[in-house]
Amino acid sequence: LAKTTQPISMDSYEGQEVNITCSHNNIATNDYITWYQQFPSQGPRFIIQGYKTKVTNEVASLFIPADRKSSTLSLPRVSLSDTAVYYCLVGDIGSGAGSYQLTFGKGTKLSVIP
Amino acid sequence: EAGVTQSPTHLIKTRGQQATLRCSPISGHTSVYWYQQALGLGLQFLLWYDEGEERNRGNFPPRFSGRQFPNYSSELNVNALELEDSALYLCASIHFGPEQFFGPGTRLTVL
Repeated sequence: LAKTTQPISMDSYEGQEVNITCSHNNIATNDYITWYQQFPSQGPRFIIQGYKTKVTNEVASLFIPADRKSSTLSLPRVSLSDTAVYYCLVGDIGSGAGSYQLTFGKGTKLSVIP
Repeated sequence: EAGVTQSPTHLIKTRGQQATLRCSPISGHTSVYWYQQALGLGLQFLLWYDEGEERNRGNFPPRFSGRQFPNYSSELNVNALELEDSALYLCASIHFGPEQFFGPGTRLTVL
């Protein structure tokens, strides 16, 4: 499993765009990149997933450069409710459900300031 | 659609006792994952069950075990509890992937 490295914490003001970068130098060809959000005492919630280039959904964008050794989660115009821990995961989904036995790591604690 | 449910919400045990945690996946989901999240740490993969079989386990001692029932619900058993077993235990279910749907967790406290 590819190891990921993220900043431990980040602060942002309300209304700003937040970019959280994750390094995954040992990403394999079949690996996808997935981001989860977790609020205190709750289970993580899926945000977005991508393989290469850019993926966008209603809550976030994911930018993946050509070498795929890093990825950036972009949260547009954050609000106080976006204060949470964000996890970057890398894994092969082509091998079936078992590939999701991932170690989430410590994630990035985002604090949104009013 | 009902989400993943876990019971109990909180569980308090003493050292050496056994704890049993339960998880019901989303209807139609056949795979269940168990994770441990100790205070201040990330989620550590514990066990994966699919179609009633244990498919893989993380780096945890054998006193962590479980099973999956014919209705795909699952049970996690922790024997000979130790203080460091105190954590939030999360269950997640998956259908075709990649999104894992997590339950609210069971907070286990070992005194």
